[in-house]
Amino acid sequence: SQQGEEDPQALSIQEGENATMNCSYKTSINNLQWYRQNSGRGLVHLILIRSNEREKHSGRLRVTLDTSKKSSSLLITASRAADTASYFCATVLAGGTSYGKLTFGQGTILTVHP
Amino acid sequence: AAGVIQSPRHLIKEKRETATLKCYPIPRHDTVYWYQQGPGQDPQFLISFYEKMQSDKGSIPDRFSAQQFSDYHSELNMSSLELGDSALYFCASSIMGLAGRYEQYFGPGTRLTVT
Repeated sequence: SQQGEEDPQALSIQEGENATMNCSYKTSINNLQWYRQNSGRGLVHLILIRSNEREKHSGRLRVTLDTSKKSSSLLITASRAADTASYFCATVLAGGTSYGKLTFGQGTILTVHP
Repeated sequence: AAGVIQSPRHLIKEKRETATLKCYPIPRHDTVYWYQQGPGQDPQFLISFYEKMQSDKGSIPDRFSAQQFSDYHSELNMSSLELGDSALYFCASSIMGLAGRYEQYFGPGTRLTVT
């Protein structure tokens, strides 16, 4: 089973609107990361939030983490057509034996219409 | 800035053949990870190496093996290829630091097609 589950699976919005994607996970984590992937291409790291952090910002991105609910959200403000991509959350499990492997959620396909 | 290099970028093999994928991590990164992403799927962790030793193992078939060499590059060897092995194979590298608390940098991937 997947550590991370994302919703929605697909999101279609107009340029300038905000896009919110959610991710849930099942076990205790060390950190949670968001990645972006353009169709069939490489994964680009967007932002990392540690388990003791609740919110983090990077440019037009805002990530929140609620460890009590085991969930995270990624907000992209003022979206652009170039933001069209798949977005994945990925978790690193807690514990001293973790070597940092990522467990990915199923991803949200974001389409931003010009 | 230097990025993770993967070769080849595209590979076409027939069933039952073997394939070798190579990964060159970012300089001074001590950890390499391999992931497999099937069509329309999320990436799945296969195996990782820290300081040239296997550090973790995921859903890697017994037909696959991997190693990390003294120069930190890594190779994923795949034998008896099956149609279901067709996927994007990503390598990522990171600095292990504080128990994996650093982001991973992904290579562009190798697209393997098995016919």
